[in-house]
Amino acid sequence: AQSVSQHNHHVILSEAASLELGCNYSYGGTVNLFWYVQYPGQHLQLLLKYFSGDPLVKGIKGFEAEFIKSKFSFNLRKPSVQWSDTAEYFCAALGWNTDKLIFGTGTRLQVFP
Amino acid sequence: GAGVSQSPSNKVTEKGKDVELRCDPISGHTALYWYRQSLGQGLEFLIYFQGNSAPDKSGLPSDRFSAERTGGSVSTLTIQRTQQEDSAVYLCASSFQSGVAVSSYEQYFGPGTRLTVT
Repeated sequence: AQSVSQHNHHVILSEAASLELGCNYSYGGTVNLFWYVQYPGQHLQLLLKYFSGDPLVKGIKGFEAEFIKSKFSFNLRKPSVQWSDTAEYFCAALGWNTDKLIFGTGTRLQVFP
Repeated sequence: GAGVSQSPSNKVTEKGKDVELRCDPISGHTALYWYRQSLGQGLEFLIYFQGNSAPDKSGLPSDRFSAERTGGSVSTLTIQRTQQEDSAVYLCASSFQSGVAVSSYEQYFGPGTRLTVT
């Protein structure tokens, strides 16, 4: 079955630290990948997405993610986190033969000043 | 334009009662999804409607759960004989999925309904 894995369940960082959140997917063919973010008390919103082309995708608020096909990964990165990045982050994938997004279980990020 | 709206925002119900949760998707969006978000469980897919196709009900946890989408717009998720383990935030999302333009598959989420079963 198609699945998305996020191995970091809870990450705690100090401000200015670098961030990398892991995401792996199980699809074998063409895949489209997304990162969503849920700030405390707010809706889920799209952070960035990859469909094709440059595997390094830039998103909002200084986030980026790199699609590495050989590793089935789409890790989220930010060089210097801020307290306001405290949120829950969800990776999602859309396989070539389905029109249903599959979400990972999420990673809770806490950033301390 | 308005985003996805859900009502009620909070619902407290007694075990054994039925509840209905409503979702108003973004106008023109063809696809509508229901998810359940429980603490530490991430986003659990429940059901998916796309246009006039038969819904994908593969995520519904039991036959106490059902959903309908009337006129291709508003959707109602019904939970019968609620149990305490049904307590969660129920999220609705919609997207405009043309089938060809993959960039249209971005899902827009509503604020959710927090269900508490006592």
